[in-house]
Amino acid sequence: AQSVTQLDSQVPVFEEAPVELRCNYSSSVSVYLFWYVQYPNQGLQLLLKYLSGSTLVKGINGFEAEFNKSQTSFHLRKPSVHISDTAEYFCAVIDMYSGGGADGLTFGKGTHLIIQP
Amino acid sequence: NAGVTQTPKFQVLKTGQSMTLQCAQDMNHNSMYWYRQDPGMGLRLIYYSASEGTTDKGEVPNGYNVSRLNKREFSLRLESAAPSQTSVYFCASADGRGVEQYFGPGTRLTVT
Repeated sequence: AQSVTQLDSQVPVFEEAPVELRCNYSSSVSVYLFWYVQYPNQGLQLLLKYLSGSTLVKGINGFEAEFNKSQTSFHLRKPSVHISDTAEYFCAVIDMYSGGGADGLTFGKGTHLIIQP
Repeated sequence: NAGVTQTPKFQVLKTGQSMTLQCAQDMNHNSMYWYRQDPGMGLRLIYYSASEGTTDKGEVPNGYNVSRLNKREFSLRLESAAPSQTSVYFCASADGRGVEQYFGPGTRLTVT
């Protein structure tokens, strides 16, 4: 089984400042990694994913994440945030071999990104 | 192309009442999922369906039943609602091995 730890439940950042949202995972098998964003009162939208290849992946809205296998981390970054980035961000993993079987996606508890003007 | 749709958007139930949450997808996906989201808990898998006619329990199945009516539709039923089932419920669908999942807008359920 996998587990995901998002180290910060809430991250306040000033507008146009850089941000990093931290995600660490534990798994006995290889995993695929995802970041989802949830805007207020909406469903989840895929921000980016790591399946294979380059460890630096770029997503929508200027976000990127780096997969670090030795540190079992998949931190999300943006060089300059905008007020519209205020949302809940979820890191998630899935077993590379069984895919979306009985475990589905394993989610972290979420990080609330608060952009201050 | 609506993606994943869920009805209703909001529901208030009294303890002991029953209801069915509906989910439909128009992406011709084989796999469908039901998750619940609770504050500070992330999302947890209730049930999933790998294909029409098959369903399996996830992490938190107690108190729920599901039906995969056809390839498009996957419903979640609460037979006797309890306050502990107050949550936001999300349906998702995925193609292939279920790696990349697409989520519906959610149903906010309150049980009093």
